[in-house]
Amino acid sequence: GNSVTQMEGPVTLSEEAFLTINCTYTATGYPSLFWYVQYPGEGLQLLLKATKADDKGSNKGFEATYRKETTSFHLEKGSVQVSDSAVYFCALTKDNYGQNFVFGPGTRLSVLP
Amino acid sequence: SAVISQKPSRDICQRGTSLTIQCQVDSQVTMMFWYRQQPGQSLTLIATANQGSEATYESGFVIDKFPISRPNLTFSTLTVSNMSPEDSSIYLCSVGLLPAGNIQYFGAGTRLSVL
Repeated sequence: GNSVTQMEGPVTLSEEAFLTINCTYTATGYPSLFWYVQYPGEGLQLLLKATKADDKGSNKGFEATYRKETTSFHLEKGSVQVSDSAVYFCALTKDNYGQNFVFGPGTRLSVLP
Repeated sequence: SAVISQKPSRDICQRGTSLTIQCQVDSQVTMMFWYRQQPGQSLTLIATANQGSEATYESGFVIDKFPISRPNLTFSTLTVSNMSPEDSSIYLCSVGLLPAGNIQYFGAGTRLSVL
């Protein structure tokens, strides 16, 4: 079945630093790929998504590109803020029906002022 | 998008008791999902709940321990039965919206501690 591997955390950065969180996947077929964010004490929020190869998802300054050749969906942001401190989850659809998700282990990001 | 309300937001329960968690959605949805997030870990799917049919459980989860109801297209409940400290987790409800591109929207979760 489909699976996802995600960069282990925690990641600690200074404000305005560049962020990369690596995510690679194993899948049959053509899954959709997602990044979700979980702020302290809250549920998960969709950050961005991509549904096919070479798609770039973007939101709130974050970007990720669906790379089929490297089976990757790395999350990047050019300049992080303290308010970006959260846990980030990479996810993909479990099968081609697209409703069940598989989540990565999560990467905790702490941004220091 | 969808707005999902979960109740209770947190609870502290005694070993051997049961807790029912409610999930209410502001629109009609076909599929609802229940996840468990153990402390410091990722999400694990417990079951998929479709209206009008029995819930489909993932490996390692059984109906006797986690009975689910789905009486209509906007509501579902998950019961954690005969609780033990190992059940202390965050339980999350989510819904899948089509044709919105297979996005899942999550409730804020229920933080359960079992003593």
